This record gives sequence, structure tokens and C-alpha cells, in this order.
Amino acid sequence: DGGITQSPKYLFRKEGQNVTLSCEQNLNHDAMYWYRQDPGQGLRLIYYSQIVNDFQKGDIAEGYSVSREKKESFPLTVTSAQKNPTAFYLCASSIRGLNYGYTFGSGTRLTVV
Amino acid sequence: AQTVTQSQPEMSVQEAETVTLSCTYDTSENNYYLFWYKQPPSRQMILVIRQEAYKQQNATENRFSVNFQKAAKSFSLKISDSQLGDTAMYFCAFMMTSNTGNQFYFGTGTSLTVIP
Repeated sequence: DGGITQSPKYLFRKEGQNVTLSCEQNLNHDAMYWYRQDPGQGLRLIYYSQIVNDFQKGDIAEGYSVSREKKESFPLTVTSAQKNPTAFYLCASSIRGLNYGYTFGSGTRLTVV
Repeated sequence: AQTVTQSQPEMSVQEAETVTLSCTYDTSENNYYLFWYKQPPSRQMILVIRQEAYKQQNATENRFSVNFQKAAKSFSLKISDSQLGDTAMYFCAFMMTSNTGNQFYFGTGTSLTVIP
């Protein structure tokens, strides 16, 4: 079945460590996105990529980095510069130029310990 | 800048009853799309319904329908015959297309509880 796979489902990080969240899709979608979800704040855009080897910052990119070396993959690294990384992270994808909305992954819950 | 407002943080409804979730948005764009997404306790985001701004007819998907008022910039979701499985967080979203691709803007969500 086609879809988006995020891993791991739960992730624990010590302060000062970088961690990478995986997002893989087999939908042949051009565009991929990373959102952060906090209680009462909805979804906030971290980074997005419309094509391979290209990506743009979203509203809250500070402390995060991404890469898009393959169409199927869009990993997100949460760096030690991110002051409050504990959150739920959602990856999404869409077909560029079409307006059918996003397909979402099942999310990763990151907790700093 | 585009904004999406959901003024009802929490709502509840009796099973089999009807409930309406409110959403307003602000934009100067004329061509855009509106969505309602459902996020159940599993936290998987699921598309509920989609509306093109250029269409006057309100979208309907089974028990889910919208009341789209373009001039008022209002996009409410009506759930008929509510079921226990409708218990979830519901997000209203606005999408426009720019040179850098599709841009989504989400509201802060409404937590809906269906009471048996």
C-alpha cells in the first residue's frame, strides 16, 4: 500500500544531542513537509521541499535542518540549537501543482529527557 | 498573510445528533482551497472534506458537509448522525498555490467528543 512512513514512533533525546526523524513516502509525491504540533497551537510548518535537492524554511525552522537527496525521503534533524524540541512531529506529502491536500504520516513523538 | 481561526477549542455532542464546527479565515487571495482534517487519538491526520473556493456548491462527504460562505470567509463543518468514532481533533486548513508550491495554513483545532 502507498503511504508515508515516519519512524520512530517515539524518540527520546538527551539535552545537547542531535536526533534525526525519518520520513519516507512511496506515493511518488513531489512535495514533502515537516510540521510541529504542540497543544493549543495547531500545526506549524518547519521545512518543506517541492523537488529533490531543494527545500525552504517554514515558519519555525530555527534549530532544525533537513535534506532531500531522494524523492522518497525527507529526514528532519532536530539539533541541539532547538530550545524546546519536545513535541509531536508530522511529515506530509502532496502532488506538486495539484490541490488535493496532504497525505500525512503517523507522526513521531520526541521527548527531551 | 493568511490566518485560520477556530474559535471553539472543545465541543461535545450526543451520539446520533448533529454538530457544527466553526472556522473563519483571512486572505486577500481569490483562488484557494479549504480542508477539514480529523486527528483521532491515534494522531493520524485524515482528510475529511475539501472545498474549492471557486465553487459555490458546498462539498459533502457522507455524513460530513460544509457551509462555505466566501464573502464572510467562513467554512464550517457539519457532522450529522454523530458516531463515537467521530471523537477527534478537527483542524480547518487553508491552501493556496504560490511560486514555491502549495502553502497550507492550519487552525488551532477543535476537540470534539461524541458522548454515548
